[in-house]
Amino acid sequence: KAGVTQTPRYLIKTRGQQVTLSCSPISGHRSVSWYQQTPGQGLQFLFEYFSETQRNKGNFPGRFSGRQFSNSRSEMNVSTLELGDSALYLCASSFSIDFSYNEQFFGPGTRLTVL
Amino acid sequence: GENVEQHPSTLSVQEGDSAVIKCTYSDSASNYFPWYKQELGKRPQLIIDIRSNVGEKKDQRIAVTLNKTAKHFSLHITETQPEDSAVYFCAASLAGRRALTFGSGTRLQVQP
Repeated sequence: KAGVTQTPRYLIKTRGQQVTLSCSPISGHRSVSWYQQTPGQGLQFLFEYFSETQRNKGNFPGRFSGRQFSNSRSEMNVSTLELGDSALYLCASSFSIDFSYNEQFFGPGTRLTVL
Repeated sequence: GENVEQHPSTLSVQEGDSAVIKCTYSDSASNYFPWYKQELGKRPQLIIDIRSNVGEKKDQRIAVTLNKTAKHFSLHITETQPEDSAVYFCAASLAGRRALTFGSGTRLQVQP
């Protein structure tokens, strides 16, 4: 099975712009979660989507949003970019349909640099 | 919300020695505890996990133990090899949720 894929792998934006990142989960996985990784704050949960519905949201401002499509692919959007949004954005997919199995498998990430 | 603390932040061992990384969590409702290994420039990889109804789990040279009463869990790596060098993260999730709360990471260096 192909693993989790993310596009683009690298992105450079300037303050005030917006950005859209894409994630394709492992085939058959219906849950996609997004995480932000920075040297200062570590790995932090952004949100989780399951069957096109946001199930949980982390403690991030409303500038961070996401969605999931019927084929389980997910996108996240960050509007009005700030310098502090520079980070590695990771998505993770999970098979479970009833939370009985929580294994999450990560994609390679999108490295976002805000200038 | 859930808080996960991880110690030590760095760990250096000689090849062949054992390494132990410890984590504590704050919310007794947490029931799933994975460990991830992240090599430089690569994605976090799930190496082992444990659920709250189990006290210990082993997979070859890796083992994880869980003490629900004390709310802490540990990763044990035996017979360490240079390729074990990486950053290791512990995490916890609440029952019924997939959101993972991560520890701050441990940089393990295995000296040949």
